Amino acid sequence: SAVISQKPSRDICQRGTSLTIQCQVDSQVTMMFWYRQQPGQSLTLIATANQGSEATYESGFVIDKFPISRPNLTFSTLTVSNMSPEDSSIYLCSVISTDTQYFGPGTRLTVL
Amino acid sequence: AQSVSQHNHHVILSEAASLELGCNYSYGGTVNLFWYVQYPGQHLQLLLKYFSGDPLVKGIKGFEAEFIKSKFSFNLRKPSVQWSDTAEYFCAVKDTGRRALTFGSGTRLQVQP
Repeated sequence: SAVISQKPSRDICQRGTSLTIQCQVDSQVTMMFWYRQQPGQSLTLIATANQGSEATYESGFVIDKFPISRPNLTFSTLTVSNMSPEDSSIYLCSVISTDTQYFGPGTRLTVL
Repeated sequence: AQSVSQHNHHVILSEAASLELGCNYSYGGTVNLFWYVQYPGQHLQLLLKYFSGDPLVKGIKGFEAEFIKSKFSFNLRKPSVQWSDTAEYFCAVKDTGRRALTFGSGTRLQVQP
């Protein structure tokens, strides 16, 4: 299994600002994923982050809005840029370990 | 594109009632199937998974799921629910072409004591 921690656990931000979310895993993993869970909805994959290469973004998500860093095999960051109220959501970090996908506790973001 | 459907959005049961939550997926190839649970205030946890073999899979806390390939379904069942099963349940699918999971919309289960 994998134990994942995220910082911050929640934040309230003003429109137009940016927030960087950190994800730390207790073991080295090749692939890390960032998901978004909007209020009352399911999880949507934002991007896949591999160490040493650029993140791969899903349709509807772009690097300028959601830049991702993956400096090593246990850490990643997701930045939500130029925020608007529509970005209010829970952002989750996820990794694969032994063919199973594990999730962090999430970061609850509210944009005013 | 692959999709996952959970038709029950909100289910309310009394304790000891039987549970069945539906999950259907659209991908026609080989898939891995998962059920996750999210208890109030907690993060997603794996309930059970199916990769191959016996289509009836047993998970934690008395849950089981049956993979029916001809119906593209992976329904979750529990013979007798408890108040502590109150949570949101997500079905997820991974096909051979992707590393990440595709999730259904989730089913909120409320068990009344």
